[in-house]
Amino acid sequence: GENVEQHPSTLSVQEGDSAVIKCTYSDSASNYFPWYKQELGKRPQLIIDIRSNVGEKKDQRIAVTLNKTAKHFSLHITETQPEDSAVYFCAALGNQGGKLIFGQGTELSVKP
Amino acid sequence: DTAVSQTPKYLVTQMGNDKSIKCEQNLGHDTMYWYKQDSKKFLKIMFSYNNKELIINETVPNRFSPKSPDKAHLNLHINSLELGDSAVYFCASSPLGVAITGELFFGEGSRLTVL
Repeated sequence: GENVEQHPSTLSVQEGDSAVIKCTYSDSASNYFPWYKQELGKRPQLIIDIRSNVGEKKDQRIAVTLNKTAKHFSLHITETQPEDSAVYFCAALGNQGGKLIFGQGTELSVKP
Repeated sequence: DTAVSQTPKYLVTQMGNDKSIKCEQNLGHDTMYWYKQDSKKFLKIMFSYNNKELIINETVPNRFSPKSPDKAHLNLHINSLELGDSAVYFCASSPLGVAITGELFFGEGSRLTVL
């Protein structure tokens, strides 16, 4: 079945710096890769997603890149702000049964 | 209006008890899910229903039994609770079928603590 590995598990940056979170997936048939943000004590919420026919997608300060050959995808956050502090999850939708499999999560801390 | 609502939000109980968590969505979605988030924040899928039909049943102990009376509701019943069942349980729904990409809308979570 699909397996998603996410790194790093924790990331601390200064306000204004960039943050990059990387994920790899195992199922080459996966075709949908969302990113979710979970603030402390809250529910996970979708912040950006990318489909397998696209290599890059950007939405204001966040961008996601996908390398299908290497089975890698990454989240890039520029000009980080303290409110970006949260746990970020990558995920991949496998082709078997439509399961959305999540990575282990990255706890991002943005220091003012 | 809350899109995906779960009750109760907090549940503290003794080992061996039986408890239920209820979930309702008013988004008109066909697909609903239960995810378990453990103390290390890992989100793991447990079950998925598409229009009341069980679609995904991960390797979950038989003590966990989902029930979907209609496509807007997906409840989770847990028998003989164990310490390891302590976690946050998230209900979610999706506007598209399980085999099609679509955003997951999560409920607020139900924090279960087994003593």
